[in-house]
Amino acid sequence: DAGVIQSPRHEVTEMGQEVTLRCKPISGHDYLFWYRQTMMRGLELLIYFNNNVPIDDSGMPEDRFSAKMPNASFSTLKIQPSEPRDSAVYFCASSQVGYNEQFFGPGTRLTVL
Amino acid sequence: AQSVAQPEDQVNVAEGNPLTVKCTYSVSGNPYLFWYVQYPNRGLQFLLKYITGDNLVKGSYGFEAEFNKSQTSFHLKKPSALVSDSALYFCAVRDFTGGGNKLTFGTGTQLKVEL
Repeated sequence: DAGVIQSPRHEVTEMGQEVTLRCKPISGHDYLFWYRQTMMRGLELLIYFNNNVPIDDSGMPEDRFSAKMPNASFSTLKIQPSEPRDSAVYFCASSQVGYNEQFFGPGTRLTVL
Repeated sequence: AQSVAQPEDQVNVAEGNPLTVKCTYSVSGNPYLFWYVQYPNRGLQFLLKYITGDNLVKGSYGFEAEFNKSQTSFHLKKPSALVSDSALYFCAVRDFTGGGNKLTFGTGTQLKVEL
């Protein structure tokens, strides 16, 4: 298996633009997590899905953020409109059992100018 | 609420010396504890976990961790450090809120192993 795949690896955009981050989890994993990492706030869980259903979105910072998982092999995290404070590395992770070993993707480094 | 604390932002150790990265936890039930490592420009990688059983847990790359219930600690250890062990290390605990299927991570400890 290729592991968790994220795209793009780097994204530079201007304030106010829409940003879409993509994730393909490991086949057979029922849980998918979106995290954000910054120097100031560390690693934060934004939302997680179980069997394509959002279970806990309490970490989503505000309405500008939305996440979907239309099928077991694809998820998106969208920011609209983007702001400079959204600049961070966004990780997707998947696991067979939610709290157990999670496999992380390489991350998307987002820069909002 | 479940939480973990990593009291050291950075740990420096000479190659060949033993290393310890500290973690303490606070949970309301049985702790499920984890260590992850992050190399530069990479995602986190699982190292080891404690759920039940022996207090000494062995993991990847020669790392081990000791669960100490009385001290509520789960320190990561390695008998002989390598320069290639230099990375950011995260302790994590199972969070029983929101369905119980997520982890709460510590703030991370930067390990630097020098020649």
